[in-house]
Amino acid sequence: GAVVSQHPSWVICKSGTSVKIECRSLDFQATTMFWYRQFPKQSLMLMATSNEGSKATYEQGVEKDKFLINHASLTLSTLTVTSAHPEDSSFYICSAADRVPPYEQYFGPGTRLTVT
Amino acid sequence: AQTVTQSQPEMSVQEAETVTLSCTYDTSESDYYLFWYKQPPSRQMILVIRQEAYKQQNATENRFSVNFQKAAKSFSLKISDSQLGDAAMYFCAYRSAGEKLTFGTGTRLTIIP
Repeated sequence: GAVVSQHPSWVICKSGTSVKIECRSLDFQATTMFWYRQFPKQSLMLMATSNEGSKATYEQGVEKDKFLINHASLTLSTLTVTSAHPEDSSFYICSAADRVPPYEQYFGPGTRLTVT
Repeated sequence: AQTVTQSQPEMSVQEAETVTLSCTYDTSESDYYLFWYKQPPSRQMILVIRQEAYKQQNATENRFSVNFQKAAKSFSLKISDSQLGDAAMYFCAYRSAGEKLTFGTGTRLTIIP
């Protein structure tokens, strides 16, 4: 089956620093990847849609300058949280969409970010 | 905009019994997909079952089946012979062709031994 990895699985950073999270599709190519944020005991909230070779599309209310997304290849998308603050602490999940119908989305295992 | 509603924040079921999780959605599209995802404590999202809107037959995957009522915009998940490993958050989700997923708020399922 299709596998999506995320790295790191858990990261702690100091307030004011930046942290990068990688999302890779291991055995398929993904034109489109998605980034979600999930607070405890809540649903997944879509942050942005990442398309290979073009700028990401951000959902309303998501700061594009704070959450930088790069999708440089068909197997890798990165999310960089810039100038992190404690309120950015959350669980971040990526998914990668297959290129053929029904464009199934496969989810990564998530990254827990803690900003101190 | 499409919305997905799960009205049961929590459900519990005795092991080996059957439980049904409810989901309703709102859309003006005619071509779309509906999903149930499971999120265990590991927080890895796992696809449980998928239903294409154009298919009248309800999808089934082993102990998991759906009751898809297109006119009523209802999409419930039935879990038969519940097992301890079924304990998780269950999310109902909607997607039109090639677009983003819209998730419901989730139902936490507890299995009572």
